[in-house]
Amino acid sequence: KQEVTQIPAALSVPEGENLVLNCSFTDSAIYNLQWFRQDPGKGLTSLLLIQSSQREQTSGRLNASLDKSSGRSTLYIAASQPGDSATYLCAVTNSGYSTLTFGKGTMLLVSP
Amino acid sequence: ETGVTQSPTHLIKTRGQQVTLRCSSQSGHNTVSWYQQALGQGPQFIFQYYREEENGRGNFPPRFSGLQFPNYSSELNVNALELDDSALYLCASSFRDRVTDTQYFGPGTRLTVL
Repeated sequence: KQEVTQIPAALSVPEGENLVLNCSFTDSAIYNLQWFRQDPGKGLTSLLLIQSSQREQTSGRLNASLDKSSGRSTLYIAASQPGDSATYLCAVTNSGYSTLTFGKGTMLLVSP
Repeated sequence: ETGVTQSPTHLIKTRGQQVTLRCSSQSGHNTVSWYQQALGQGPQFIFQYYREEENGRGNFPPRFSGLQFPNYSSELNVNALELDDSALYLCASSFRDRVTDTQYFGPGTRLTVL
């Protein structure tokens, strides 16, 4: 059974800092990995999707890497802003069909 | 905005009642998945519908059931509600494509069971 773990559970940083969120998964036979953002009480917004054959994806200040063999992914956020404050969820899809297995998320607070 | 809508936004029910939640997929999508997200947890997969048939189910009892309609909208039905069913229910739509399979999530329905 696939299990996804995210570290740290919560993170508080001052504005402008670069930061790294970590995600690990137990079964390396994944189809793809996604990072999502969730604002309090809201739905999920997909930030980046990395196919299993890819090593990284970038979008603006966000960069996600994938090391499938070691079962790890990182989300790098450059020059953090208060608007980045949210919960960040990592999810993997195993081969077969497109159901997502999520971690519990990292709650990020960026202070002005 | 993902184009996926859910109704209602909030719902309060009592134990033992039944509830129906609705989801309208993004245009062109043929797959809908439902997830339950308890407070402080990641979403848990309930089931998925592809072209009107159930196409996978997570570890949820049979009192959780669903439907997908010809226009690819979907319903989640929960019978005999329990307190632990209180959660945010999310639906996600996607198009079955072997190259990319990004799921687009709706805003969710917050269910409170008293």
